[in-house]
Amino acid sequence: GDSVTQMEGPVTLSEEAFLTINCTYTATGYPSLFWYVQYPGEGLQLLLKATKADDKGSNKGFEATYRKETTSFHLEKGSVQVSDSAVYFCAPSLGGSNYKLTFGKGTLLTVNP
Amino acid sequence: DAGVTQSPTHLIKTRGQQVTLRCSPKSGHDTVSWYQQALGQGPQFIFQYYEEEERQRGNFPDRFSGHQFPNYSSELNVNALLLGDSALYLCASSATGQGPAFEQYFGPGTRLTVT
Repeated sequence: GDSVTQMEGPVTLSEEAFLTINCTYTATGYPSLFWYVQYPGEGLQLLLKATKADDKGSNKGFEATYRKETTSFHLEKGSVQVSDSAVYFCAPSLGGSNYKLTFGKGTLLTVNP
Repeated sequence: DAGVTQSPTHLIKTRGQQVTLRCSPKSGHDTVSWYQQALGQGPQFIFQYYEEEERQRGNFPDRFSGHQFPNYSSELNVNALLLGDSALYLCASSATGQGPAFEQYFGPGTRLTVT
């Protein structure tokens, strides 16, 4: 059945390091793809999205590309900051529907100064 | 713009009781989805309401029910509470006419503890 697999953490990096968080999915059809972020003590926020193959979503220096051939949507940032410390969730819309999001288990990122 | 609001913030109930959680969507949104987030896990889809009807449902028992009002606000009801229902309940709103992206905006959640 449809599912999402997200790199599990925790991930600890030094400031200005490169970040990759892997996300792959299995799906019927072509889902829309999302990354959400949950900062400490705050609610879920949409970070970026992509709706079709080869689309690149970007926001706040983060990027992710919709790779249909590998069914992946890896999150990357070239230089992380302490303020990027949060839990990151990959969330494709699976089940042949754009109505519901299927969340990964989340990746806790801690960035040290 | 108020964003998505939820009430109450925290709730403590006893096993077997019933609970009602409330959600007001972001201005301009007509669709409300509910998710359950257990500690240390990603949110799981419970159901979605549009035009006052349940449009899609996740793998949750019938003890979980909902309602959407004409002003688009929504309630989540859980009957016969179990210890395993303890979680953060998230409401998300979206605008059905916005196209395939279906961006969902989340509220801060209601923390339910069942003892």
